[in-house]
Amino acid sequence: AQKVTQAQTEISVVEKEDVTLDCVYETRDTTYYLFWYKQPPSGELVFLIRRNSFDEQNEISGRYSWNFQKSTSSFNFTITASQVVDSAVYFCALPLIWGLGTSLAVNP
Amino acid sequence: ETGVTQTPRHLVMGMTNKKSLKCEQHLGHNAMYWYKQSAKKPLELMFVYNFKEQTENNSVPSRFSPECPNSSHLFLHLHTLQPEDSALYLCASSQDGGGSTYEQYFGPGTRLTVT
Repeated sequence: AQKVTQAQTEISVVEKEDVTLDCVYETRDTTYYLFWYKQPPSGELVFLIRRNSFDEQNEISGRYSWNFQKSTSSFNFTITASQVVDSAVYFCALPLIWGLGTSLAVNP
Repeated sequence: ETGVTQTPRHLVMGMTNKKSLKCEQHLGHNAMYWYKQSAKKPLELMFVYNFKEQTENNSVPSRFSPECPNSSHLFLHLHTLQPEDSALYLCASSQDGGGSTYEQYFGPGTRLTVT
């Protein structure tokens, strides 16, 4: 069975803090893709990143970075120097299988 | 219009009503999806269409009836719903048909309330 676990339900930080959102997944597939999405208060889910299981290199995009560790089945997401606009629910997903999401509140 | 659009944005309906949700994607994608999003639950995949053909029906009750006339349009026909069907209904599209490779692009959703 496939499963995505985001153990952190809610996180609250102060602006400029770094924050890491955890994601642990289960799959029997040898080749697979992982995704992160953001859902701001406006409600529209926005795609952030897609990662192929063959590629274990960390990815950085501005203040966002992702750490994919196949050995521990984890795909964690770090926001550096968080901003109020980062406040949202963040979802980790296997194809068509979603975690519960982590609600991030960044306070001024 | 760009991206994925959904209408209406909000819908209140009685249990005996019939209504339809509409989704349109302007991205040239081949696959479209319906999801149900309820509080405290993971996003629930309802239906998948690939090149207008339904490829997945995730044990959805028959009171929800999808229709995909072409690769750009997707409908969800609703009839005799229950209060527990109240949720945010999200439409998405992706480049591939099985949702296994490419990311999905979502519409803003329809907030449905069943009274």
